[in-house]
Amino acid sequence: DQQVKQNSPSLSVQEGRISILNCDYTNSMFDYFLWYKKYPAEGPTFLISISSIKDKNEDGRFTVFLNKSAKHLSLHIVPSQPGDSAVYFCAASGGSNYQLIWGAGTKLIIKP
Amino acid sequence: GAGVSQSPSNKVTEKGKDVELRCDPISGHTALYWYRQSLGQGLEFLIYFQGNSAPDKSGLPSDRFSAERTGGSVSTLTIQRTQQEDSAVYLCASNRGGYYEQFFGPGTRLTVL
Repeated sequence: DQQVKQNSPSLSVQEGRISILNCDYTNSMFDYFLWYKKYPAEGPTFLISISSIKDKNEDGRFTVFLNKSAKHLSLHIVPSQPGDSAVYFCAASGGSNYQLIWGAGTKLIIKP
Repeated sequence: GAGVSQSPSNKVTEKGKDVELRCDPISGHTALYWYRQSLGQGLEFLIYFQGNSAPDKSGLPSDRFSAERTGGSVSTLTIQRTQQEDSAVYLCASNRGGYYEQFFGPGTRLTVL
């Protein structure tokens, strides 16, 4: 029973264009969401997060949008750069123990 | 400052052998997490330590898996009688507790032949 789903295993985007990565969740108790980026042979690194009291959070080229009614969030990267090529994980939390539930990841490939 | 470190970075073992994986969290971080990532899968939660509280072992897949955290710092994940399905990257993360963001080590790639 996957509570956090990233339905696209991979995504290919031209350099300079917008990359949009999607994440769906099923548990309405989730109230905090995070995106992580992972390069091969490295651990995931935190990218950006959003609380359920907001619908948008922006940090430089990265923006996360949250649609609570649809239980959907997305990560927008504009403009996409070659260094953005990585696996992106969506994670969600809803408990008092701050534990995270993770999606399966989307591999983003930026084409020059 | 130093990040989360894990050792070894790679481990190849034979089916039926025991293995120990080590995690050194960031100094001062009271919370420590172990995850497993199998090929093409997301991060699967294994176990969570927070301060002196009893660990949350709800993610351990079988009684062959155990973990300890000594002195509130270093943690060791032990897998007994390894099976081929245990092959995965084992990731450790830590944080101060009471925060969502977790800081990850580079992982240990375990291959069971």
